[in-house]
Amino acid sequence: KAGVTQTPRYLIKTRGQQVTLSCSPISGHRSVSWYQQTPGQGLQFLFEYFSETQRNKGNFPGRFSGRQFSNSRSEMNVSTLELGDSALYLCASSWAGSYNEQFFGPGTRLTVL
Amino acid sequence: QKEVEQDPGPLSVPEGAIVSLNCTYSNSAFQYFMWYRQYSRKGPELLMYTYSSGNKEDGRFTAQVDKSSKYISLFIRDSQPSDSATYLCAMSHPNNNAGNMLTFGGGTRLMVKP
Repeated sequence: KAGVTQTPRYLIKTRGQQVTLSCSPISGHRSVSWYQQTPGQGLQFLFEYFSETQRNKGNFPGRFSGRQFSNSRSEMNVSTLELGDSALYLCASSWAGSYNEQFFGPGTRLTVL
Repeated sequence: QKEVEQDPGPLSVPEGAIVSLNCTYSNSAFQYFMWYRQYSRKGPELLMYTYSSGNKEDGRFTAQVDKSSKYISLFIRDSQPSDSATYLCAMSHPNNNAGNMLTFGGGTRLMVKP
């Protein structure tokens, strides 16, 4: 069974630009969550989507947004990039119900210059 | 104060040693506990998942949960150089809109020397 895939794996952007990251969950998984990982703050929850609806949201500004498609694939968007947005962005998928095990993808490393 | 505290290490042990990794948490609502292993420049890999107090064993790994003390541990027996990685504890609770939001510890970097 294929794991969680994320594209692109690496991105370099400049301040003020926007970026879209993509995540394809494990086949059959309907929940997709996004996390930001930085050396200073560690892994922090961004948001979770289930059946194309945002089910939970972390404490991030509105510049961070996401969506989920009918095939469970998800995208997240960051607008007006700031230097502090440089991070590893991780996507995790889980089956359907609550409190399931989450399986992570390899991440997208975003560098903002 | 962070909801989940984890000693950052690094923790250096000789090959074959028993490793103990620990997390404490402050939110008594946490009910589901996970341990992830993360190699450099990779995504976290799920090692253990448990939701009850007590021990759960899987091969060389044992997860221990003590909800009364708000303390969880991961034990690695017969540690191998390939176990060298960052270990992250994570937990979730039923209050968050029936979803899958995880709260992570900061991670402990483990080095197993041959």
